[in-house]
Formats: sequence, structure tokens, C-alpha cells
Amino acid sequence: AQSVTQLDSQVPVFEEAPVELRCNYSSSVSVYLFWYVQYPNQGLQLLLKYLSGSTLVKGINGFEAEFNKSQTSFHLRKPSVHISDTAEYFCAVLKAGNQFYFGTGTSLTVIP
Amino acid sequence: KAGVTQTPRYLIKTRGQQVTLSCSPISGHRSVSWYQQTPGQGLQFLFEYFSETQRNKGNFPGRFSGRQFSNSRSEMNVSTLELGDSALYLCASSLALAVQETQYFGPGTRLLVL
Repeated sequence: AQSVTQLDSQVPVFEEAPVELRCNYSSSVSVYLFWYVQYPNQGLQLLLKYLSGSTLVKGINGFEAEFNKSQTSFHLRKPSVHISDTAEYFCAVLKAGNQFYFGTGTSLTVIP
Repeated sequence: KAGVTQTPRYLIKTRGQQVTLSCSPISGHRSVSWYQQTPGQGLQFLFEYFSETQRNKGNFPGRFSGRQFSNSRSEMNVSTLELGDSALYLCASSLALAVQETQYFGPGTRLLVL
């Protein structure tokens, strides 16, 4: 069963517009949730993570995500995107046993 | 502080050969994890090492193996290469096990199997 589903493979958005990248996970137990960004020809960089506590998590570069247990979602948002935000974004879940499961990625393209 | 380094950055092998990839974690980090990234399968977890012990393993055949040395450097070995092993192999390090500590990724080793 797919542990992490990223609903959109590609998201084009105009510069300075808001964006939401969707992520749903499947788990009946507690999980830790992450968003990573991958710029062309580079490794992954952690944007933010949810381990416990407040369901609204703020990360780097103005990104934030909200953990919604009832909808098993962890959507990533940014109120105003920049050209430099063009990249591949991965949602990931860490389950018991320390296994990471990544989504298939969402390619964000910011249009000038 | 230097980041995670991976060597080599690019590699071309032929089917049936074996390959060894190296990862040097950030100084002080004791956990190293390996991932395979392909266009078809996306990012998949291979294994995690902590204090020279494999702590967790993903769903990969036994041809994929790894080890960690006392200085936390890690190597990953793939034997009897198949065309489907062509991928970007990413290494990540963290202070402790990845469950609580932020992982820092290296730039990856791109392996092409012909």
C-alpha cells in the first residue's frame, strides 16, 4: 500500500502567487512527516518536519505545512512564490522501524 | 562545517559488474542513510547505519549491501549490476538515528549501467 501520495505531479504557478502542494499519507499509527526540496542536480534539503505538538509547522524559505490527522494530510503552502522556488518537492513519512517512505514528488514551476 | 560528500559523483558500469559508492557524513554525525532515486520508482530507502551497525533496511535484494566504519564513513556496494540499478544514489547523515534528527543529504552518485 502506498504510504505517501502526492496528488499533483506538476504544479505551475505565477510568481508572487500562493501555492499549495498536496500530500496524503496512509498510516494507522503515529508518524513523523517531512517535506524536502530538491533543486536541479542537487541532493535533498529539509524544508520542514512535523514530529508532534502544533499542527502548523513553519519551515525555511517561507514555507509552512499543516498536519491534519483526520484527513491524513500534510499539505505544503507558501503565500507568495519566487522564481527560485522552482524545484522538485517531496513529501515523506517516517514510520516505526525508522523507515522513510517518500512520495513521487511534485515539480513546482514558477512562471515569471 | 563541510557537508555530506559522496564519491564518485558519476559512474558508468556494465551489467554483471559490481560497484562501491562512498559517503562521508558531516563531522560528528553518526547516522548514515542511503536512498535510490529513479524516474520510475522515485525515492526509495535502502538502509541506515548507526555506530557501524545496520539499524534498518528497505525492500531491496541482497545484491545491495553496505557498511559503516568507525569514523562514520559509509560505503554501499551493489553486486551483479542490472540495467535497472541505473539511478541517483543519495546518502544522508544525521547526528543520531533519522527518526528525531534532521538528515542532511549529499549531492548523490549517478550510476549508469550499460
